[in-house]
Amino acid sequence: QVQLVESGGGLVKPGGSLRLSCAASGFTFSDYYMSWIRQAPGKGLEWVSYISSSGSTIYYADSVKGRFTISRDNAKNSLYLQMNSLRAEDTAVYYCARRIAVAGSDYWGQGTLVTVSS
Amino acid sequence: EIVLTQSPGTLSLSPGERATLSCRASQSVSSSYLAWYQQKPGQAPRLLIYGASSRATGIPDRFSGSGSGTDFTLTISRLEPEDFAVYYCQQYGSSPDTFGQGTKVEIK
Repeated sequence: QVQLVESGGGLVKPGGSLRLSCAASGFTFSDYYMSWIRQAPGKGLEWVSYISSSGSTIYYADSVKGRFTISRDNAKNSLYLQMNSLRAEDTAVYYCARRIAVAGSDYWGQGTLVTVSS
Repeated sequence: EIVLTQSPGTLSLSPGERATLSCRASQSVSSSYLAWYQQKPGQAPRLLIYGASSRATGIPDRFSGSGSGTDFTLTISRLEPEDFAVYYCQQYGSSPDTFGQGTKVEIK
C-alpha cells in the first residue's frame, strides 16, 4: 500500500534552516510528481512546491520562492524540502503528497510540524 | 495565480440532509482540473473528487462533484455522521496549484 512518511520537523529560530524528508513506499516513486503542502495552525491548506518525476520541473509558491528548495532522490524513494531563512509565518504542519497531473494529490503523509520561534 | 473562493464558510446541517458546497475560481480552470478534499481534525486531507466530477478510489457515491470553467460544486447527498469535516477545493491545472480557504460542515 502507498505510504508517505515525513520527518525532520521541529523547533527552529527565525532565520534558521531545516530540511524535511518524505520517505515513499508502495509505489514506483520515480514515476510520480510529488508536492509539499503546508497548513498553519488552525488555518487552511497552502500549496508550497512540486517537483516532476525526474526532478527537471519545479514550481514554488511566491511565499517560499528563493528560500525553500525541493529535491528528490529516486534511488532512495525520498522527497526533500530544504527550508532556509525561516520566518514565524512558516510555522505549519508540512505534508508531502503524491501528485497526479489529472487527479490532484491522491496520497498524503501524516505531516511533520515545523515551528519557527525564538 | 488562480484564486479559489469557497462558500459558505460554514454549513450547519443535520445528518441525512443534503450539503452543497461551492468553489469559484478567479479564472477558468484548465481541463476542469479541480479536486475536492476532506479533512478531519488531526488528520491529513483525503482526496474525494478529481477532474471536477470523478470520485477517487473508495469514495462513497453520496459524494458528487460538478461544474466547469470557474464554478464548481461538491454535493453530499445525505450527510452521514462521519462527513462532518472541513472541505477544500484545489485547482491543479495551472501552476501554481492553489487551494480554496475551506468550508466547514458542522452538525446543526
